[in-house]
Amino acid sequence: AQKVTQAQTEISVVEKEDVTLDCVYETRDTTYYLFWYKQPPSGELVFLIRRNSFDEQNEISGRYSWNFQKSTSSFNFTITASQVVDSAVYFCALIPLNSGGGADGLTFGKGTHLIIQP
Amino acid sequence: DVKVTQSSRYLVKRTGEKVFLECVQDMDHENMFWYRQDPGLGLRLIYFSYDVKMKEKGDIPEGYSVSREKKERFSLILESASTNQTSMYLCASSSNRGSPLHFGNGTRLTVT
Repeated sequence: AQKVTQAQTEISVVEKEDVTLDCVYETRDTTYYLFWYKQPPSGELVFLIRRNSFDEQNEISGRYSWNFQKSTSSFNFTITASQVVDSAVYFCALIPLNSGGGADGLTFGKGTHLIIQP
Repeated sequence: DVKVTQSSRYLVKRTGEKVFLECVQDMDHENMFWYRQDPGLGLRLIYFSYDVKMKEKGDIPEGYSVSREKKERFSLILESASTNQTSMYLCASSSNRGSPLHFGNGTRLTVT
């Protein structure tokens, strides 16, 4: 079985600050995908990024960046110069690709509620 | 753009009622999922389906069943609703294992 831990239940920062959301995972599989999703107050989960376990390159997309470190089983998400519209619950998730059984859906962390204050 | 539509945004049902939550996707995806979301617990997988008439239990299937008679439609059934099934229910679909899940807007179910 796999596990995703987001230790930060809630983070509150002032607009324009940088903020990092932590994600630590456990899996016995050697091949897996990691994901980040955003859930704004409207409720719909929005896909942000997918990372293959073989690809440890960091990724940047505008103000968003992701740091994947296999050695520490972490896949952290940083928002630079945060804005009020970034306020949401953010979920990290994992799916193994070579497991023989078990649920086939994503395993999600419990989420981090990010509050950006103006 | 993938569209996953859940038939109801809000539902209020009484204990013991049979409840149907409907979900339709328009992208011909093979896989469909039902999750429930509760504060402090994140998203937990109830059931999923990888083909028409196929279904697999997720992590918390007790008290639920599902139906997938057509590829685009995946229904979650609460045979006899109980108050501990009050929750937000999220439907999702994906094209294959490892593909991003596309979620609907959710159905907030209250069982009184």
